[in-house]
Amino acid sequence: EDKVVQSPLSLVVHEGDTVTLNCSYEVTNFRSLLWYKQEKKAPTFLFMLTSSGIEKKSGRLSSILDKKELFSILNITATQTGDSAVYLCAAISGNTPLVFGKGTRLSVIA
Amino acid sequence: DSGVTQTPKHLITATGQRVTLRCSPRSGDLSVYWYQQSLDQGLQFLIQYYNGEERAKGNILERFSAQQFPDLHSELNLSSLELGDSALYFCASSVATDAPGAFFGQGTRLTVV
Repeated sequence: EDKVVQSPLSLVVHEGDTVTLNCSYEVTNFRSLLWYKQEKKAPTFLFMLTSSGIEKKSGRLSSILDKKELFSILNITATQTGDSAVYLCAAISGNTPLVFGKGTRLSVIA
Repeated sequence: DSGVTQTPKHLITATGQRVTLRCSPRSGDLSVYWYQQSLDQGLQFLIQYYNGEERAKGNILERFSAQQFPDLHSELNLSSLELGDSALYFCASSVATDAPGAFFGQGTRLTVV
């Protein structure tokens, strides 16, 4: 069965800290891995990673995929209170369009 | 605004009833995906349609069904509702069949009482 596991489940940090969120996956015919930010309602797309070792960056957020070890990390530097959200990781497999992890709830306190 | 429209935003109904959730994809998108998000199960893929045809099926109960119409909007029908069906139901759309999930609608929150 396809599986995506995220850690930690929750995290509390102070503004300005750097955080690393983890995502490991076991899916059939893996194709890509996606990261989302979910605040109140709909997940907002952050990154899609298909190739190993190539970092994707958007402002203070960056992510990288390791297809040999079957994991990805999402880094957020200089965190702000607006970064508080649930971060979701999902894998595209040959069987299922998107298999989601349970998410990491990040709380950034001033 | 993702361009994916879901209606209604909220729905409260009694056990045993049937409801229909509606999704209008972004202009030009042929694929529609339905997801269920509950507190204990997280986000789970239910079903995908591409240009009117069912393309992939996930953990969708037999009491649930969906269809995509010629104008590409989609409806998710939930029948014989149970308390455990209370959840957020999301629709997402994409141009192709293999690029799911970049654009999510705002969801329909279903509460079964």
